[in-house]
Amino acid sequence: QKEVEQDPGPLSVPEGAIVSLNCTYSNSAFQYFMWYRQYSRKGPELLMYTYSSGNKEDGRFTAQVDKSSKYISLFIRDSQPSDSATYLCARGYGGATNKLIFGTGTLLAVQP
Amino acid sequence: NAGVTQTPKFRVLKTGQSMTLLCAQDMNHEYMYWYRQDPGMGLRLIHYSVGEGTTAKGEVPDGYNVSRLKKQNFLLGLESAAPSQTSVYFCASSYSSDTQYFGPGTRLTVL
Repeated sequence: QKEVEQDPGPLSVPEGAIVSLNCTYSNSAFQYFMWYRQYSRKGPELLMYTYSSGNKEDGRFTAQVDKSSKYISLFIRDSQPSDSATYLCARGYGGATNKLIFGTGTLLAVQP
Repeated sequence: NAGVTQTPKFRVLKTGQSMTLLCAQDMNHEYMYWYRQDPGMGLRLIHYSVGEGTTAKGEVPDGYNVSRLKKQNFLLGLESAAPSQTSVYFCASSYSSDTQYFGPGTRLTVL
């Protein structure tokens, strides 16, 4: 079993839809969680960061963490064609190395 | 600030050739990382460094070497390239545990 599982998609939605992207993880030692967005042929960029259970909101984006179920989600409200990208979830151990474990990414296409 | 830059952007090698990928960051970050990204595999950590003069193995280190002689630079070397090393390589840097900043990537093809 991979440490981080993510549905690869692709996921296609119409403009304005609410998008739900999900990841599960197996190691309860993970301390913090991130969502990265990667446009085609670009490097990943950080979208959201959280280290606790519950919700964290930033504009149209909400990150949700459920540590008891080892489940994290990213919700995108009022999706736009510019949101079309691959979304990567990541978990971090913290400590001296600051290493992250990434999911395989979900490809999202928002149709105008 | 340029952030994280990578050189070259593209490269084609023949099997057995060697090359070095350069990563540079101007954010005074202590931590630097090299990843490879392959379809269906996500980002996998090759090597990383927690400070100038230090390096450590990641998840997939075989066939690669690294050096961190200066704080701002992290070099990834392929001594004898193999077709299995065809991939997109990303460098990242971070100051602490909250964010890794990624470069634009290097697309490497080994024939």
